[in-house]
Amino acid sequence: EVQLVESGGGLVQPGGSLRLSCAASGFTFSSYWMSWVRQAPGKGLEWVANIKQDGSEKYYVDSVKGRFTISRDNAKNSLYLQMNSLRAEDTAVYYCARVGGTTGTTDWGWFDPWGQGTLVTVSS
Amino acid sequence: DIQMTQSPSSLSASVGDRVTITCRASQSISSYLNWYQQKPGKAPKLLIYTASNLHSGVPSRFSGSGYGTGFTLTISSLQPDDFATYYCQQSYSSLWTFGQGTKVEIK
Repeated sequence: EVQLVESGGGLVQPGGSLRLSCAASGFTFSSYWMSWVRQAPGKGLEWVANIKQDGSEKYYVDSVKGRFTISRDNAKNSLYLQMNSLRAEDTAVYYCARVGGTTGTTDWGWFDPWGQGTLVTVSS
Repeated sequence: DIQMTQSPSSLSASVGDRVTITCRASQSISSYLNWYQQKPGKAPKLLIYTASNLHSGVPSRFSGSGYGTGFTLTISSLQPDDFATYYCQQSYSSLWTFGQGTKVEIK
C-alpha cells in the first residue's frame, strides 16, 4: 500500500524554526517528484514546494522563498521541509504528496496520494 | 503566477442533482488541470487529472472537461458521499496554484 506519513509539526514561536518529515512506503520513492502543500485553518489549499527525484530541482511558492527548504533522502525514503523565520501566517496543516505523471509531457503534475497532514502553529 | 478562479464558491444541491463547477485560469494552461475532493478533517483526494482523466477508483459520475483557460468538473448525479469541497489545481507553470475551492452542501 502506498503511504505517506508526516511528522514534526507543533507549536513554535514567531521567528522560530521547525523541520517536517514525511516517510514514504509502498512505492519507489526515488522515482517521483514530491511536494508539500499546506492548508491554513478554515482556508483553501496552497502549494508550497516541489522537489525533483534527485533533488536537483526545487520550486517554492513566493511567500516561503528564502525561509523554507525542501529536501529528500532517497536512501531513507523520506521528504523534509525545513521551515525558518516562521510567521503567524505559516500556521497550517502541512501535507506531503507524491507528484503523478511525467514531467515534459501533458500527463504531469497531480498530487496522489497525500499524507494525513501535520499541524504547524506559529504563535507566541 | 497563474491565478485559478473557481465558481461558484459554494452551492446547495440535492441528491440526484447534476452539479457543475467551473475553474478558470488567468492564462492558458493547456490541459494541466487537476481536480480534488476534500472532506472536513481529511486530506484531499485526486478525482480528475489532466483535465479529463478519471483517477482510478473514482466513480464514473465524476467527469472533467476543458482546455486552455476554462475547465469544468461535473457530477452527473450527486450522491450523499459527494458533499465536500472541491479544488482545481494547475501544473502548467513551475509554480503551481489551486483554486479557492467550491463547497458543495446539502439543500
